Amino acid sequence: KAGVTQTPRYLIKTRGQQVTLSCSPISGHRSVSWYQQTPGQGLQFLFEYFSETQRNKGNFPGRFSGRQFSNSRSEMNVSTLELGDSALYLCASSLAGTFNQPQHFGDGTRLSIL
Amino acid sequence: AQTVTQSQPEMSVQEAETVTLSCTYDTSESDYYLFWYKQPPSRQMILVIRQEAYKQQNATENRFSVNFQKAAKSFSLKISDSQLGDAAMYFCALTTSGTYKYIFGTGTRLKVLA
Repeated sequence: KAGVTQTPRYLIKTRGQQVTLSCSPISGHRSVSWYQQTPGQGLQFLFEYFSETQRNKGNFPGRFSGRQFSNSRSEMNVSTLELGDSALYLCASSLAGTFNQPQHFGDGTRLSIL
Repeated sequence: AQTVTQSQPEMSVQEAETVTLSCTYDTSESDYYLFWYKQPPSRQMILVIRQEAYKQQNATENRFSVNFQKAAKSFSLKISDSQLGDAAMYFCALTTSGTYKYIFGTGTRLKVLA
């Protein structure tokens, strides 16, 4: 069974640009969560989607948005990029996103803002 | 608010020795799960072990075990017979019923010395 796939692995952008990251969950998984990982901050929760609906959202500005498609694939968009957005963005999937189910993570997308 | 605190940014252990990583958490919910995840240098986060709050018995997975002290809101990870492959970042995480959201600690970097 293929794992969680995130594309691209690396991205370099400049301030003010926008970026879209993609995540394909494990087959059969309908819940997709996104996290921002920075040194010293750990993983910060961005949002969670299930059946194309956002069920929870973290404390990030509106520049961060996401969506989920009918095949459970998810995209995350960041507009008007800032230097502080440089981070590893992780996607995780689970069957239904309930609290007793562990999440399966992708390798992440490393976003660098110049 | 729910929080997870890992107070040890870095730990070292000699190969074949035992090491304990600390984690404290705070939640007002009674129904929750706690997790330990491992992130090797290759980046993909892997589930190590999980503990349901209602279970008094500490979870074990081979060389990995937890010391779950519910009243103290403490959830430490013990790694026995440490191996070079155990070197990684270890994250403690909390999730509660109905939130569809994981709260992660800032992580502990474990170094295994040969």
